[in-house]
Amino acid sequence: DAGVIQSPRHEVTEMGQEVTLRCKPISGHNSLFWYRQTMMRGLELLIYFNNNVPIDDSGMPEDRFSAKMPNASFSTLKIQPSEPRDSAVYFCASSLGVAEAETQYFGPGTRLLVL
Amino acid sequence: DAKTTQPPSMDCAEGRAANLPCNHSTISGNEYVYWYRQIHSQGPQYIIHGLKNNETNEMASLIITEDRKSSTLILPHATLRDTAVYYCIVRGSIIQGAQKLVFGQGTRLTINP
Repeated sequence: DAGVIQSPRHEVTEMGQEVTLRCKPISGHNSLFWYRQTMMRGLELLIYFNNNVPIDDSGMPEDRFSAKMPNASFSTLKIQPSEPRDSAVYFCASSLGVAEAETQYFGPGTRLLVL
Repeated sequence: DAKTTQPPSMDCAEGRAANLPCNHSTISGNEYVYWYRQIHSQGPQYIIHGLKNNETNEMASLIITEDRKSSTLILPHATLRDTAVYYCIVRGSIIQGAQKLVFGQGTRLTINP
């Protein structure tokens, strides 16, 4: 079975450029999560969707970050304009639901470097 | 969500059982204990979870104490591929923010040949 798919796996860009990260959740999963991992802050939740609707975006660092989920099989996380401090590994995860017994499964991540 | 405490690092010989402890003394009755691991440069990988009873799957066993204040993840026959950072996470109800997995510093487990 295909797990969570993320693209690109690596992205190098210059400060000020727009960056778009993509995620395909596991088929049949209704909830999708975007996390960011840095050395300083560890893994932190940015935003999550349930049935394609954004439920909680309180973890999104600032207005430069936006996320969409146009359908059940695709989500994007966009950074515009990007800054060096956005350099991190961005993970997408999906689960059947958001209840405490619903396991989240993570993708391989996108390693972003902003120069 | 209840806070968890894990040793920062552990070593284990290949082929032996690896026992990773986790303290969650403030856990409440409806909170689950989850274990994930992260192998270098990969995404977090789900291992196992439990509420009150001990659990076992193809990867590991989870032993939860009767008072639920601590748990132990057991990898029965550790291999070099089990070298990773292991995270113990307590998840509460949706009202308590169960959708947010809060990863601490974890335990860096090194399996030695």
